[in-house]
Amino acid sequence: AQKVTQAQTEISVVEKEDVTLDCVYETRDTTYYLFWYKQPPSGELVFLIRRNSFDEQNEISGRYSWNFQKSTSSFNFTITASQVVDSAVYFCALSEGYNTDKLIFGTGTRLQVFP
Amino acid sequence: DVKVTQSSRYLVKRTGEKVFLECVQDMDHENMFWYRQDPGLGLRLIYFSYDVKMKEKGDIPEGYSVSREKKERFSLILESASTNQTSMYLCASSLPTPEGRTFFGQGTRLTVV
Repeated sequence: AQKVTQAQTEISVVEKEDVTLDCVYETRDTTYYLFWYKQPPSGELVFLIRRNSFDEQNEISGRYSWNFQKSTSSFNFTITASQVVDSAVYFCALSEGYNTDKLIFGTGTRLQVFP
Repeated sequence: DVKVTQSSRYLVKRTGEKVFLECVQDMDHENMFWYRQDPGLGLRLIYFSYDVKMKEKGDIPEGYSVSREKKERFSLILESASTNQTSMYLCASSLPTPEGRTFFGQGTRLTVV
């Protein structure tokens, strides 16, 4: 069965610290997509990244970077030099096959960045 | 700017009431979804729809039904609201392609008293 595990329920850091959010997934499919979403206090989930199972290249976007390792079934998210505006709940999600419709979400990690 | 709009941010209803949560998207997406978000449980799929008048059960459909009469609108119905349906409800839409992204509404926080 498909499953996404975010073991960290809550993380607190001080501004400018680096922080890594962990995501471990389970799937039997060879084709799948992994996602990260950010949910700020306003409530709307904001798409951050999509990665397909055939592309293990790490990705960097500004202060954000993602490390995809199929060998450990992990898709970790690092924020470098965190800022107060990064405070949010972050969700990792999985969809299988070529149809990226149905997302299976982890339980989320609440990140609090203090000034 | 792409938009998924949920009709209410906050809703308080009484036990036993019939409750309608409305969602509209302006992106001409075929797929629409209703998720429920609870602390410690993440988001769980209630129902989804691939096209007008088509619907499929998600992981937790009990106590809910849906309606999709028009492509842009997807309604979640609580036939007889109960206190264990107090939750945050999120509507989403997407295109049925590998490149498709899922867009979410701002959520409706429903309290059943």
